[in-house]
Amino acid sequence: DVKVTQSSRYLVKRTGEKVFLECVQDMDHENMFWYRQDPGLGLRLIYFSYDVKMKEKGDIPEGYSVSREKKERFSLILESASTNQTSMYLCASSLMTSGTGNEQFFGPGTRLTVL
Amino acid sequence: GENVEQHPSTLSVQEGDSAVIKCTYSDSASNYFPWYKQELGKGPQLIIDIRSNVGEKKDQRIAVTLNKTAKHFSLHITETQPEDSAVYFCAASDGGFKTIFGAGTRLFVKA
Repeated sequence: DVKVTQSSRYLVKRTGEKVFLECVQDMDHENMFWYRQDPGLGLRLIYFSYDVKMKEKGDIPEGYSVSREKKERFSLILESASTNQTSMYLCASSLMTSGTGNEQFFGPGTRLTVL
Repeated sequence: GENVEQHPSTLSVQEGDSAVIKCTYSDSASNYFPWYKQELGKGPQLIIDIRSNVGEKKDQRIAVTLNKTAKHFSLHITETQPEDSAVYFCAASDGGFKTIFGAGTRLFVKA
């Protein structure tokens, strides 16, 4: 069974802390994505990666960075957490696109609270 | 920028009735339209998708229709069951890396 796993289901951090969210997929997918999910706003893309060491900004990259050192792992980093980054964070992966979209496989999400 | 509008935000139906969720997209280059279901405590999961060369697709109790001229697409669930209760997201992609998601519809199926 295909799987995307995220390192934590729930996380509570203090303002100003550096936060690492880890995501691992076992499907050998080229593409990996980080979204944040907020009520009434749907899923908004923070960053994505289409290959090892490659990254591209999504719609809301401010305050975030990412790292992809291995194909199966994609990390989201909050350099200095702020209260407005309290949210549900979803990781996803998909096969390489070739002009037409592909299904994205999502992890269970990490609910981050910044106090 | 590109966006996807989804309605209604909340939908409550009686078990056995049909449910319809509608979406409108703005990017005329969109050619792939997936629908995701998110159950409580889980990530979204694809339930059906449609590509721009098809007007309708059906999978058991679920069907999706696409009107490219009007930039509308809809999800139809027939004979709803309590286990259909979840949040549903429509989305649109132009075949590149970015997929634009709607805001979601919370469906309640009352037994």
